[in-house]
Amino acid sequence: EDQVTQSPEALRLQEGESSSLNCSYTVSGLRGLFWYRQDPGKGPEFLFTLYSAGEEKEKERLKATLTKKESFLHITAPKPEDSATYLCAVQDRDNFNKFYFGSGTKLNVKP
Amino acid sequence: GAGVSQSPSNKVTEKGKDVELRCDPISGHTALYWYRQSLGQGLEFLIYFQGNSAPDKSGLPSDRFSAERTGGSVSTLTIQRTQQEDSAVYLCASSLRSASTDTQYFGPGTRLTVL
Repeated sequence: EDQVTQSPEALRLQEGESSSLNCSYTVSGLRGLFWYRQDPGKGPEFLFTLYSAGEEKEKERLKATLTKKESFLHITAPKPEDSATYLCAVQDRDNFNKFYFGSGTKLNVKP
Repeated sequence: GAGVSQSPSNKVTEKGKDVELRCDPISGHTALYWYRQSLGQGLEFLIYFQGNSAPDKSGLPSDRFSAERTGGSVSTLTIQRTQQEDSAVYLCASSLRSASTDTQYFGPGTRLTVL
């Protein structure tokens, strides 16, 4: 069964139009939730790690939040250079070796 | 500092040939992971190393796939008798694996095309 589901699959925004990406997960116990950015032809680039519900992390125009069942990546006033695929991954608390990745949200920010 | 590096960046091979993919992790990172990413798909876990040991090989899709790690550093993923369905981007990640963080840092990947 799917452990991590990301929505939407694709998102088109105008420059400056804020929005949120969703990552919902079903692992029984969460050790950590990770957000990555992936540009075409490149490996995922680490953005944030969240460990507990209520935690928030910020970096420039990005803000990640975590609840017991999902995480949001909020993008405030995006710019075209924010266009990329954003991946979410969860680490199973009962098996630290297991990281489950979502299929990603492909973000396209138009100038 | 230097990140995770992978070589080659691209590999085109004929069906039935063997290929070796290399990963150089971040210095000092004890954990190393291999993933496979097919077009439009999420990352598929292949194998995990802690030091030179592979306690979790559960993601290897068949016995044609194998991996080793030497000196707690460089890792090689070998695919024997390649098939067209093996075409994908193979990603390597390393992690410090401390008590406080398991954040994985990824290399640029090797794009494998099997003709």
